Amino acid sequence: DTEVTQTPKHLVMGMTNKKSLKCEQHMGHRAMYWYKQKAKKPPELMFVYSYEKLSINESVPSRFSPECPNSSLLNLHLHALQPEDSALYLCASSQEGLGASNYGYTFGSGTRLTVV
Amino acid sequence: RKEVEQDPGPFNVPEGATVAFNCTYSNSASQSFFWYRQDCRKEPKLLMSVYSSGNEDGRFTAQLNRASQYISLLIRDSKLSDSATYLCVVNNNFNKFYFGSGTKLNVKP
Repeated sequence: DTEVTQTPKHLVMGMTNKKSLKCEQHMGHRAMYWYKQKAKKPPELMFVYSYEKLSINESVPSRFSPECPNSSLLNLHLHALQPEDSALYLCASSQEGLGASNYGYTFGSGTRLTVV
Repeated sequence: RKEVEQDPGPFNVPEGATVAFNCTYSNSASQSFFWYRQDCRKEPKLLMSVYSSGNEDGRFTAQLNRASQYISLLIRDSKLSDSATYLCVVNNNFNKFYFGSGTKLNVKP
């Protein structure tokens, strides 16, 4: 079983809705990530948080808004999404810095998002 | 040029076969390397890190060739349960990882 927990597992939302994806880890990792994965494609990095501060934003549209309330939690707030935003959203965590280089990521099981 | 490139496959092999995948990377300063496995509609899971001296974990052997900038994964005695997509992952900058597009393996009875 994964040690990174994501909720909900599935989400269907309309283009005018506001929703949030949640991610939680208790491994003491200080780096957390949001990835987006479309079918038959590799995961694409969206955001990186390091010590609860946003360190990387891969030019993600503002309709996606990340938040890191504490070292164990990571949220992704969604507003006014488009159907093409439908995808699997993966959260991951890792040790920070050199630890990430040495040990890689642990992924959550993802939220499968459908925008209608 | 992509940071990481893989042959998408699929590789269709019979049970018991030996199969190898390669992955090339473009940044000679890349620091660390991993193979992840992803089953259909599931999250990627770390299969193994790849070390300069090469490393083995049971039926799986990973190798790194820095001079030619590629990494490889060898699977011996393939099992039906090995059927999955194998993602090559390269780390260039501590918290930033680059994923290859994945190689699909189908092991058939």
